[in-house]
Amino acid sequence: GQQLNQSPQSMFIQEGEDVSMNCTSSSIFNTWLWYKQDPGEGPVLLIALYKAGELTSNGRLTAQFGITRKDSFLNISASIPSDVGIYFCAGLLSGNTPLVFGKGTRLSVIA
Amino acid sequence: SQTIHQWPATLVQPVGSPLSLECTVEGTSNPNLYWYRQAAGRGLQLLFYSIGIDQISSEVPQNLSASRPQDRQFILSSKKLLLSDSGFYLCAWSMTGGNTIYFGEGSWLTVV
Repeated sequence: GQQLNQSPQSMFIQEGEDVSMNCTSSSIFNTWLWYKQDPGEGPVLLIALYKAGELTSNGRLTAQFGITRKDSFLNISASIPSDVGIYFCAGLLSGNTPLVFGKGTRLSVIA
Repeated sequence: SQTIHQWPATLVQPVGSPLSLECTVEGTSNPNLYWYRQAAGRGLQLLFYSIGIDQISSEVPQNLSASRPQDRQFILSSKKLLLSDSGFYLCAWSMTGGNTIYFGEGSWLTVV
């Protein structure tokens, strides 16, 4: 089945630093989604990308849908302590197929 | 607006006991519904998804089952829990043909 390779697996950064994480796939997707999960809670949608090449921002977050439709990245600028959590990428081929999730990037921010 | 709610939030069950986790979605009709499991510190594993009443696909063979008795209700069950069933269970929904899914609050299951 389809798989997503998400990297890095974990990151330890200083408060104020920028963060970059990415997902790659061997097959194409028509939608890329990025979620954040706080401890003990369900993942919350951060950014949705629906078109190849699309670059979308949500506050300090920026995500891009790769031109080849096989990759996506998420950047966080000027990290703050509340950015701590697990970030998941997810790819979707079509509306009635299940999302394929990456294994997550665990972000730790050191004040 | 649409909301999703699952319960119970936490559950401690002995090995061999039954399980029932419930999930309901409000504010939409004929949603796609999903059950995911997340082991501690790990990624999300899709267990079941449903595109309609009595239409349920299982992604992973296991001792769990899912049912959709009503359009916006999704139930995860087991007749006899195993220790390996412990984890964080997440219900999720999307619109029919939709390309974004939304998660519930999650249910912590500890099998002892």
